Amino acid sequence: AQTVTQSQPEMSVQEAETVTLSCTYDTSESDYYLFWYKQPPSRQMILVIRQEAYKQQNATENRFSVNFQKAAKSFSLKISDSQLGDAAMYFCAYRSPLETSGSRLTFGEGTQLTVNP
Amino acid sequence: GAVVSQHPSRVICKSGTSVKIECRSLDFQATTMFWYRQFPKKSLMLMATSNEGSKATYEQGVEKDKFLINHASLTLSTLTVTSAHPEDSSFYICSARVDPGTDTQYFGPGTRLTVL
Repeated sequence: AQTVTQSQPEMSVQEAETVTLSCTYDTSESDYYLFWYKQPPSRQMILVIRQEAYKQQNATENRFSVNFQKAAKSFSLKISDSQLGDAAMYFCAYRSPLETSGSRLTFGEGTQLTVNP
Repeated sequence: GAVVSQHPSRVICKSGTSVKIECRSLDFQATTMFWYRQFPKKSLMLMATSNEGSKATYEQGVEKDKFLINHASLTLSTLTVTSAHPEDSSFYICSARVDPGTDTQYFGPGTRLTVL
């Protein structure tokens, strides 16, 4: 079974600065998907960014980018120019290919990000 | 696009009663929906996978007679917590996948259940 590990229960960053959230995973599969979701105090899960394992290029979405290291099974999230609205719980998630798992997501334990003004 | 709603957002009930939570995909058809449970400051725990027109697939340790799931249409799945007890109090979240060819799940806003 796949596992996802987020080793940083809490992180903090100053507004306008950059922060990196770590995520590692364990899998024997070669083709899969990785996601970062954000859960603000409203509890609404919001997709931040996604990465297909077969793509070597790191995904980017505005101020959010990932560092995907397939051999190391690492998938970190970098938030640039941090804003107060970025404060939330961030979850890393793994998804097996559809055929093997029915599209289920395996989540890490989450990292609580605080943005200091 | 890809909006998922849940109703109710909050519910308080007495021990022994049953509670139904609805999950709707508002602007797309969802062949597959998922139900999660989340404890305070914890991660999401998958309870079951719901496919339209067929029986739900429950995760190990989740009582299917306790948590009844129905996915009668491509836009609606329901979770019924039967004979609720205080230990069932939690935050329940649903998600929906647009179609079998995509890999992204869109989440509802969640339902907080409190059993007195």
